[in-house]
Amino acid sequence: GIQVEQSPPDLILQEGANSTLRCNFSDSVNNLQWFHQNPWGQLINLFYIPSGTKQNGRLSATTVATERYSLLYISSSQTTDSGVYFCAVRETDSWGKLQFGAGTQVVVTP
Amino acid sequence: KAGVTQTPRYLIKTRGQQVTLSCSPISGHRSVSWYQQTPGQGLQFLFEYFSETQRNKGNFPGRFSGRQFSNSRSEMNVSTLELGDSALYLCASSLSQDLPLHFGNGTRLTVT
Repeated sequence: GIQVEQSPPDLILQEGANSTLRCNFSDSVNNLQWFHQNPWGQLINLFYIPSGTKQNGRLSATTVATERYSLLYISSSQTTDSGVYFCAVRETDSWGKLQFGAGTQVVVTP
Repeated sequence: KAGVTQTPRYLIKTRGQQVTLSCSPISGHRSVSWYQQTPGQGLQFLFEYFSETQRNKGNFPGRFSGRQFSNSRSEMNVSTLELGDSALYLCASSLSQDLPLHFGNGTRLTVT
């Protein structure tokens, strides 16, 4: 199956700082999602980004499918950005089977 | 539009018992998938259903089973519970293969 690696595993930021999270995947994929998991366990969709660049407020993401990686940018971080960020890719010919990375634990300090 | 709804939110069971978890997908979504999240193994795929048929199954023992009803609602069952089954169980639904998965809030199962 597809392998998904995320880096760094942990990130501590001061409020207002910028950061980049990386997701590498081992095979061609036709879609990729970024999620934020809050302390209550809820997985929140951030981006559905099989290729290209998207922005949503202070967050943006870029996927370079030909080079098998995706980046999530957090700008002007806030304490509410704390949590775990997951990258997940969908197996070919599957609607619902995602392979998740191990996540990046982000802590934003005031 | 209502999101993916999972019930119950919390469950405490004893080893050897069985448990049934429920998931109602977003209206119109026919694909439902289940995931287990533990601190040690992360998020792992359990199974996927589409139009009442299991399309994919993850690497879990036969104690884990599921089904989907004609209204797309899904249930998963775990029999003969073990301590290691303690986890957050997440359900997701999707409208199509080219659109994102949407997750419910999960059911947190504790086995004592």
